[in-house]
Formats: sequence, structure tokens, C-alpha cells
Amino acid sequence: GAVVSQHPSRVICKSGTSVKIECRSLDFQATTMFWYRQFPKQSLMLMATSNEGSKATYEQGVEKDKFLINHASLTLSTLTVTSAHPEDSSFYICSARAPWTGGHSYFGPGTRLTVT
Amino acid sequence: EDKVVQSPLSLVVHEGDTVTLNCSYEVTNFRSLLWYKQEKKAPTFLFMLTSSGIEKKSGRLSSILDKKELFSILNITATQTGDSAIYLCAHLGRYGNKLVFGAGTILRVKS
Repeated sequence: GAVVSQHPSRVICKSGTSVKIECRSLDFQATTMFWYRQFPKQSLMLMATSNEGSKATYEQGVEKDKFLINHASLTLSTLTVTSAHPEDSSFYICSARAPWTGGHSYFGPGTRLTVT
Repeated sequence: EDKVVQSPLSLVVHEGDTVTLNCSYEVTNFRSLLWYKQEKKAPTFLFMLTSSGIEKKSGRLSSILDKKELFSILNITATQTGDSAIYLCAHLGRYGNKLVFGAGTILRVKS
């Protein structure tokens, strides 16, 4: 099956620093990738839709200047959490939509971000 | 605003029991309803339902959609401890390709 990877799987950073998370579709090209945030024992909250070659579409309430998304190629999207604060600590998951699925996406393994 | 509501929010059963998880939705531009299973990390795809009344089956898991009453159920028969997970229901809209998730059902199967 299709594989989506994320890097890093776990990161600890200090308050005020920025952190970049990568999402790659390893064996297919994805024109659209999605970024989610998940709090413990809660569902996935869509943050933004990442479109290759154009600006990301952010969901209501998500600060685009804080969560920078770049979809530079058909296999790579990055999420940069700028000036991180402890409340940004969360599990971030990306997904990539494969063209043959009729709509469902393959998810990456997630990145656990802890801001101290 | 599209809404997906799952129930129950959590459930504890014993091995061998049968469980039914519910998902109701209020959405515009319905396209499909999807079920995912999430253990430690990435959600894994279970079913995509587009048509009413057609059961999809995979081993001990099955799911069906009722587009008139706007809900779907996920059944798991003869549950095993490995079925313990969060089960997520999501709506895929006709436009935009984004998934709107319900809150999930946390299932714990005790041995």
C-alpha cells in the first residue's frame, strides 16, 4: 500500500523557537496533503490543506503566520510551527491524498511535539 | 458547517463480544463516509461508503450507510484485544477533498 512518512517522529523544543515537520509521500505523487492536530484521546482536527505549487488553505481559527505550510513538490509538504509555545504541544499528523483512492487519504505516523 | 457525531465516545467490552459503533452526520454536498482505526500512531483506512444499504465487509468488521437517516454503523464481531483502538468516522465532501472527522470512539477490549 501507499506509504506516507513524517519526520521527525518526536521533537522537543524550547519556547520561542521554530520547528519544521516534514511529510513525504514515498511511492506516489500527492497534489494535495492535509495537516491535522490531535490532542490526547481526541479526534483529528484539520488545520490546513496543502496544495502543491500554491498557498495552503487554512481552517477557521488556525493562524497561518504561526503554522507555515509549504508544499514545494508533489511528494513533500512541510509544516513549520513558528515561535512555539507550550500550548502548541500536540500530535501533528499529515495525510496525502492518492489519486486512485476515490478520496481517502493515507496518513503519516505523526510527530509528537513538546514545547518546554 | 459540516458535523460528524460519533457514539458512544468510549466503550469497554470483553473478548468475544460484538460491538456496534455509530456515526451520524449533517453535511452539505455529501460524497462519502469513511471509517478509520487508530492505534498508536497513524489512522489506517477501514471502509469508504458512498451508497446506501450496501454492506462493506472485511473479516470481522463490517459497515453500512443509511443516506436517508444520515448515519453509518461499524460492526465488529468476536472482538479481540487487538481491536482496542480509536475508531474514527469522517465525511469526505464533494468539493475540496478534505475529511471532517467525528470525535472518535475509544474501544477497549478486555481479555
